[in-house]
Amino acid sequence: GAVVSQHPSWVICKSGTSVKIECRSLDFQATTMFWYRQFPKQSLMLMATSNEGSKATYEQGVEKDKFLINHASLTLSTLTVTSAHPEDSSFYICSATPGAGGNQPQHFGDGTRLSIL
Amino acid sequence: AQSVTQLDSQVPVFEEAPVELRCNYSSSVSVYLFWYVQYPNQGLQLLLKYLSGSTLVKGINGFEAEFNKSQTSFHLRKPSVHISDTAEYFCAVSSRGNEKLTFGTGTRLTIIP
Repeated sequence: GAVVSQHPSWVICKSGTSVKIECRSLDFQATTMFWYRQFPKQSLMLMATSNEGSKATYEQGVEKDKFLINHASLTLSTLTVTSAHPEDSSFYICSATPGAGGNQPQHFGDGTRLSIL
Repeated sequence: AQSVTQLDSQVPVFEEAPVELRCNYSSSVSVYLFWYVQYPNQGLQLLLKYLSGSTLVKGINGFEAEFNKSQTSFHLRKPSVHISDTAEYFCAVSSRGNEKLTFGTGTRLTIIP
């Protein structure tokens, strides 16, 4: 149980393109979803926290106009990297948790490797 | 604020030998502790978690961890490792009322045949 699907797994696109990444909880309703960015050989950096039906909460230093997050239902959140540039190339990972309170483990998608040419 | 320290960035271990991956945390409130494993080009998979109760928790793939409040540690152990255990291991902490996870910098476990 607790499967999170992330799509696409790999994206290569030209500079200036906008890219949308989907994160779905397949067998549970996700009260909260999280978006992370991971640089090579580094830990995960939280970008934003997303609750269904409300605006995402962005971490300090993350541009909300650059990284648009939509959490329209309890099973789907999307991250759109707008006007992507080479410096946005990275591994993006989403996670979802079925409840609030901090004691629910996060379940992670398999990540999306984004390469901007 | 909370933080997690994984002092060992890389740990090489011979196959079938025991291993311990160290994790220390800092927090002003009660915490929940997690260990995740990441295989190349994949997301993170939950190995085990400590929420409350028994300080020794058992997880998947033969791993276990012990919560030590006085030493603020949550070290991960396995008595006999396999080649398939080669991966990156992350310790993480959250707290009551806050779902955000704070991750350590990770430990790369390499199993030597």
